[in-house]
Amino acid sequence: GENVEQHPSTLSVQEGDSAVIKCTYSDSASNYFPWYKQELGKGPQLIIDIRSNVGEKKDQRIAVTLNKTAKHFSLHITETQPEDSAVYFCAARALGGGADGLTFGKGTHLIIQP
Amino acid sequence: GAGVSQSPSNKVTEKGKDVELRCDPISGHTALYWYRQSLGQGLEFLIYFQGNSAPDKSGLPSDRFSAERTGGSVSTLTIQRTQQEDSAVYLCASSLVGPSSYNSPLHFGNGTRLTVT
Repeated sequence: GENVEQHPSTLSVQEGDSAVIKCTYSDSASNYFPWYKQELGKGPQLIIDIRSNVGEKKDQRIAVTLNKTAKHFSLHITETQPEDSAVYFCAARALGGGADGLTFGKGTHLIIQP
Repeated sequence: GAGVSQSPSNKVTEKGKDVELRCDPISGHTALYWYRQSLGQGLEFLIYFQGNSAPDKSGLPSDRFSAERTGGSVSTLTIQRTQQEDSAVYLCASSLVGPSSYNSPLHFGNGTRLTVT
């Protein structure tokens, strides 16, 4: 089955700086890679996703890049703000490959220092 | 509109007791998932329901865990004879269609925090 590794487990950055979270996956059949943000006491919320036929996708201050050859993908947050503080999860799924949903990384606790 | 609703938000139970956790998915969503989130860990898939098809139970950790989905809507996750290692946040998610579609992201509830003493 799929295995997703996520680094770092904790990331502390100064407000206004950029943050980068990296994930690797093992199943070359995976072709959908979402990122979720989880605030304290809440469920994860989808913030951006990327499909395997795309190398990069941007949405305002958030971008995701995918390298299928190396089987890794990254989340980039620019001009970080206090409200970006949360736990971020990457995930991978082979669409149509079965009913077991997403395989998640173990999460990155992002701390934005004022 | 209303999101995925889970109840209770917190549950404390004694070891050996049974517990039931409830999930109300978004109206019209055909797919429903249960995940478990342990402290410092990612989200562990438990079970998946798609329409009227037989559920995929491949993620259930033991036969003490079971789930049902009545009328294609509300789902209940039952844990029998709870153990301390069952302590975790149990998250429910729903999506419009199943995992075969790109345009069907998961919408999560806020979870039930289960503590087994």
